[in-house]
Amino acid sequence: SQTIHQWPATLVQPVGSPLSLECTVEGTSNPNLYWYRQAAGRGLQLLFYSVGIGQISSEVPQNLSASRPQDRQFILSSKKLLLSDSGFYLCAWSVGQGDDQPQHFGDGTRLSIL
Amino acid sequence: DAKTTQPTSMDCAEGRAANLPCNHSTISGNEYVYWYRQIHSQGPQYIIHGLKNNETNEMASLIITEDRKSSTLILPHATLRDTAVYYCIVRPTGGYQKVTFGTGTKLQVIP
Repeated sequence: SQTIHQWPATLVQPVGSPLSLECTVEGTSNPNLYWYRQAAGRGLQLLFYSVGIGQISSEVPQNLSASRPQDRQFILSSKKLLLSDSGFYLCAWSVGQGDDQPQHFGDGTRLSIL
Repeated sequence: DAKTTQPTSMDCAEGRAANLPCNHSTISGNEYVYWYRQIHSQGPQYIIHGLKNNETNEMASLIITEDRKSSTLILPHATLRDTAVYYCIVRPTGGYQKVTFGTGTKLQVIP
């Protein structure tokens, strides 16, 4: 069966520091991968998605970037964190291009910026 | 995107069926209805989805009205672990579509 791993689970970082969050998927090949942010009391915001190695699409302009160095690895990065980058970051995966393919989420990383 | 409307909160006695309604009156003919839930401090969990027909899996049943303007998620025997926020969403068609949650329904299962 497929599993998705995100780490770390929680992270506290000072303003201006760099960031690297990692997500890996097991048990499937060539998944579509997604990074979302869920701010406190608000819904999900899609940040990036990827349909293959090295292919990244950004949904919103921001202080973050994403990379996909391997088929089942998705990394979210920042060179200098802002206070507004605080939130709950979720990685998700899906397969295929059909409209009936659900996305499956990891357990998230709770990021606090001080 | 078709919007959804859900009650803010619901209670259900443990062992009873939990019926969570969702209105999606502007749904298009080829848009799917999806249900997710999110237990506090965890990532959203996919539950079930459907297009026109009723669907059932090991977690829940999904009943979609004939006009597709509303649906009901049924948890047949609610347990305390089913306490969560339940989100009903309508997925737009085509491409690698994002999941967008509304406010959802906070389901409290009571012992």
